[in-house]
Amino acid sequence: DTEVTQTPKHLVMGMTNKKSLKCEQHMGHRAMYWYKQKAKKPPELMFVYSYEKLSINESVPSRFSPECPNSSLLNLHLHALQPEDSALYLCASSQPSARGKVGELFFGEGSRLTVL
Amino acid sequence: LAKTTQPISMDSYEGQEVNITCSHNNIATNDYITWYQQFPSQGPRFIIQGYKTKVTNEVASLFIPADRKSSTLSLPRVSLSDTAVYYCLGYNNNDMRFGAGTRLTVKP
Repeated sequence: DTEVTQTPKHLVMGMTNKKSLKCEQHMGHRAMYWYKQKAKKPPELMFVYSYEKLSINESVPSRFSPECPNSSLLNLHLHALQPEDSALYLCASSQPSARGKVGELFFGEGSRLTVL
Repeated sequence: LAKTTQPISMDSYEGQEVNITCSHNNIATNDYITWYQQFPSQGPRFIIQGYKTKVTNEVASLFIPADRKSSTLSLPRVSLSDTAVYYCLGYNNNDMRFGAGTRLTVKP
């Protein structure tokens, strides 16, 4: 199984809603990532978890709250978002740098978020 | 972590070899160079990775000169389906940041 599964594929939410994006992988990877991608722009790193601990937080606003409940799951909790937060949110996983084939990220198909 | 610079876009024709160069002047000793391909509305896909000299796999080659301040992704005999955005990344530990990317258009 070389898949990273993201749900939902599409999400429309109002600025006062609370929602969550979910990501799951069963490749035994111990590093998981959230990226945000706007149209015609590169993916922008948001958060990195290594061995279920947050290792990188790119000064993301607190209205985005990541959670890594176990080594296979990664959530992104959304609250009080702004219309400019509308984007494709990509989850990825990899082996941590100390093991195996470094640098190969496996991406999900993304969750397309629209904030009204 | 290496800041990367690539051409914004490139055009090619089917069957040609395409070389995309990435500049990373401030690459650190521990940084690897990794290339990804992305189609619209999909996540990026790993192509190849290297540290120095030449690396080849079934889809591409990667050339990194001795000073490691640049790298060149070589795609042999491209087809229409190779039309995509190509990103080079400087990589260290789990810190994976994408540069602006090169939009490659392959024409018939």
